Amino acid sequence: NAGVTQTPKFQVLKTGQSMTLQCAQDMNHEYMSWYRQDPGMGLRLIHYSVGAGITDQGEVPNGYNVSRSTTEDFPLRLLSAAPSQTSVYFCASSPPTGYGYTFGSGTRLTVV
Amino acid sequence: GDSVTQMEGPVTLSEEAFLTINCTYTATGYPSLFWYVQYPGEGLQLLLKATKADDKGSNKGFEATYRKETTSFHLEKGSVQVSDSAVYFCALIGNTGGFKTIFGAGTRLFVKA
Repeated sequence: NAGVTQTPKFQVLKTGQSMTLQCAQDMNHEYMSWYRQDPGMGLRLIHYSVGAGITDQGEVPNGYNVSRSTTEDFPLRLLSAAPSQTSVYFCASSPPTGYGYTFGSGTRLTVV
Repeated sequence: GDSVTQMEGPVTLSEEAFLTINCTYTATGYPSLFWYVQYPGEGLQLLLKATKADDKGSNKGFEATYRKETTSFHLEKGSVQVSDSAVYFCALIGNTGGFKTIFGAGTRLFVKA
């Protein structure tokens, strides 16, 4: 089925480890974003991209890197995991403004 | 900057009750407005949207009207079901350029049989 695919669904990391959360969409959407969801804080934008080769920071970018080499893929890299990065991470994509996002099913990350 | 304020939850209703979840926004000009729903263990799903003043978005029995004069986009449903239990997020995309979506904090709805 068409949509946004995130892997893995669950991950446990030790403090200081690095990893990449994968996100792929097959709808040819130009825009892609990463959010983190924490209890009582709604969704906070980490990084976003308006097209291949173009990325920018959201409101909570520290500790994360992104790249967008293709339209389909938008991986999120944790450079050195910290317990404060324990969260649920969502990738989302959309066509140009006004159409709304399609979200992936999320990655639940625990950093111990 | 742009912002979205939703009523705090949780909201607990009996089946077939009327639902209202309040949402107000702050933004310049005419933003696009959205409601998303998140069921347990899942990602958010777009429920409905409105892109200009007085537009009414509707889907699955839910409705919301874009009120420019009160900067509001309240979500309503005439008769809720147990299956409507979820978290509901109000969101906007400002019209100052770009596509960044600003989300409210979410309102959890519990519907009792």
